[in-house]
Amino acid sequence: QKEVEQNSGPLSVPEGAIASLNCTYSDRVSQSFFWYRQYSGKSPELIMSIYSNGDKEDGRFTAQLNKASQYVSLLIRDSQPSDSATYLCAVNGITNAGKSTFGDGTTLTVKP
Amino acid sequence: DGGITQSPKYLFRKEGQNVTLSCEQNLNHDAMYWYRQDPGQGLRLIYYSQIVNDFQKGDIAEGYSVSREKKESFPLTVTSAQKNPTAFYLCASSPSFNEQFFGPGTRLTVL
Repeated sequence: QKEVEQNSGPLSVPEGAIASLNCTYSDRVSQSFFWYRQYSGKSPELIMSIYSNGDKEDGRFTAQLNKASQYVSLLIRDSQPSDSATYLCAVNGITNAGKSTFGDGTTLTVKP
Repeated sequence: DGGITQSPKYLFRKEGQNVTLSCEQNLNHDAMYWYRQDPGQGLRLIYYSQIVNDFQKGDIAEGYSVSREKKESFPLTVTSAQKNPTAFYLCASSPSFNEQFFGPGTRLTVL
């Protein structure tokens, strides 16, 4: 089992729809959770971080964390073609603090 | 401008040759990281450093070496011992050992 698993995708949604990206992790004591967006051929950029259970909203993005289920998700509302990218989930544990483990990413395509 | 720079953008290596990838940041971040990304894959950690003159191996350190003599700089050397070095190399830094900020990357190709 991988430490951080994401839906392999690709995920395709129509413009204006809600895109839902999911991530599960194996280390029960993980503390910090991040979503990065990576456009094709470019480097990742941080879009959301979440540290406690519940929802965190930032514009059209909402991160959801459920530590009991070891699950973190990213919702993108009113999806735009410019949201088409690969989304990487990253998790930091207590041991080796400061070291992130990344999932393989989910590729999202938003169709006009 | 504050940020992270990597050079070169593209690098070609001959068999048996060592090459060094540059990573510089002027964000005053303590932590710096090197990752490797293969097509269709996530990021795999090569080395990371949380303080000057100290660094730790990541998950795939074999065939690579680093130094951290200055806070701003974290160069990565890909040695001839790395048998399959063709990949996209990403450097990142972090102010808090949590969120990471990435440079533009270096694409290394073995000829």
